[in-house]
Amino acid sequence: ETGVTQSPTHLIKTRGQQVTLRCSSQSGHNTVSWYQQALGQGPQFIFQYYREEENGRGNFPPRFSGLQFPNYSSELNVNALELDDSALYLCASGLAGGNYNEQFFGPGTRLTVL
Amino acid sequence: AQSVAQPEDQVKVAEGNPLTVKCTYSVSGNPYLFWYVQYPNRGLQFLLKYITGDNLVKGSYGFEAEFNKSQTSFHLKKPSALVSDSALYFCAVRVTGNTGKLIFGQGTTLQVKP
Repeated sequence: ETGVTQSPTHLIKTRGQQVTLRCSSQSGHNTVSWYQQALGQGPQFIFQYYREEENGRGNFPPRFSGLQFPNYSSELNVNALELDDSALYLCASGLAGGNYNEQFFGPGTRLTVL
Repeated sequence: AQSVAQPEDQVKVAEGNPLTVKCTYSVSGNPYLFWYVQYPNRGLQFLLKYITGDNLVKGSYGFEAEFNKSQTSFHLKKPSALVSDSALYFCAVRVTGNTGKLIFGQGTTLQVKP
């Protein structure tokens, strides 16, 4: 098991609502990335945070936003939920610098939008 | 554009037999390649990575991967499969730059039969 934790484990929302997912990074790591994994697909990069700022973004609309806190924990916020937002959301922590550093993933939050 | 392909949705092998899970990639520049495994209702677990050097990379749980630059492949292998290896396997390439973005293949389900 990695030291990355996520909460909640499962979440059910209705279309149009807002949701906040939380992630606690592995000790010593200073970056956090969020991925969306739809059923039967590979994870898709949403964005990464470093030094409390967004450090790169995938092809996701602005209603997906995030925060990184001084203790390197992070939140993913999704506004105006759509049915297609139903997925497993994974956060991954790592160390900035160098392309060789592996990222360590949390167990994920399963979001269901009805 | 950088991409990863896993040509097989499913691989079935008998316990004790060797296994191979295939991955091909397309990148500009030097590839940084990773394999992750995902068990049901769990996050991704890091298996191994290729950055540079020896083309045969050894990782966790007896897995290894062979990097082949001319064929742009990074196949995952294990000499003797275990039933407990049954899981979903993802190949990923690290996007060059500072974002830490990983691009994942669509995943291959490995089924090891007793």
